[in-house]
Amino acid sequence: AQSVTQPDIHITVSEGASLELRCNYSYGATPYLFWYVQSPGQGLQLLLKYFSGDTLVQGIKGFEAEFKRSQSSFNLRKPSVHWSDAAEYFCAVGETQGAQKLVFGQGTRLTINP
Amino acid sequence: NAGVTQTPKFQVLKTGQSMTLQCAQDMNHNSMYWYRQDPGMGLRLIYYSASEGTTDKGEVPNGYNVSRLNKREFSLRLESAAPSQTSVYFCASSSRGTEPLHFGNGTRLTVT
Repeated sequence: AQSVTQPDIHITVSEGASLELRCNYSYGATPYLFWYVQSPGQGLQLLLKYFSGDTLVQGIKGFEAEFKRSQSSFNLRKPSVHWSDAAEYFCAVGETQGAQKLVFGQGTRLTINP
Repeated sequence: NAGVTQTPKFQVLKTGQSMTLQCAQDMNHNSMYWYRQDPGMGLRLIYYSASEGTTDKGEVPNGYNVSRLNKREFSLRLESAAPSQTSVYFCASSSRGTEPLHFGNGTRLTVT
């Protein structure tokens, strides 16, 4: 069965510092991978997605992620975080034939120190 | 530009009571989904509807029923609420396989 692990429950970084959020997945076929962000009291918003092709994908808000098949990873990165990036981040994997049945990781809560 | 609208935003139920969570989307999407979010567990799929007229179980369907009323609306019903169903419920929709899910803002349900 497919699964997603986000090893870090909570990360704190200083504003302007670089960020990397880890995501490891288990999936039998070529995975479809997503990163979503959730601000308090809100639904989830798509940051970026990987289906095929270039393993480095660019998303919104200056985020990028790299798909590494050999490591079963899809880590999210940002060179310089802003206070507005404080939120919860979810990695997801799934199939997209017909409906998107996604499996989400547990989430990583990001706190930004001024 | 409403997107995905969920009602109500908050609800408190007593054990054994029933209720229906409503979801509507105005993006002409084919597929709709219900997820629940619990601390430390991410989001888990309850039920989904790949297209109008079809519904299927997700990962955690027990204790729930759904109705795809038309292309726009997808409701989730709790027939006899239990404290284990205390959660935040999200409705989402998507157009076709590779397009991203669009989420509503959630319904926070507490069962006492």
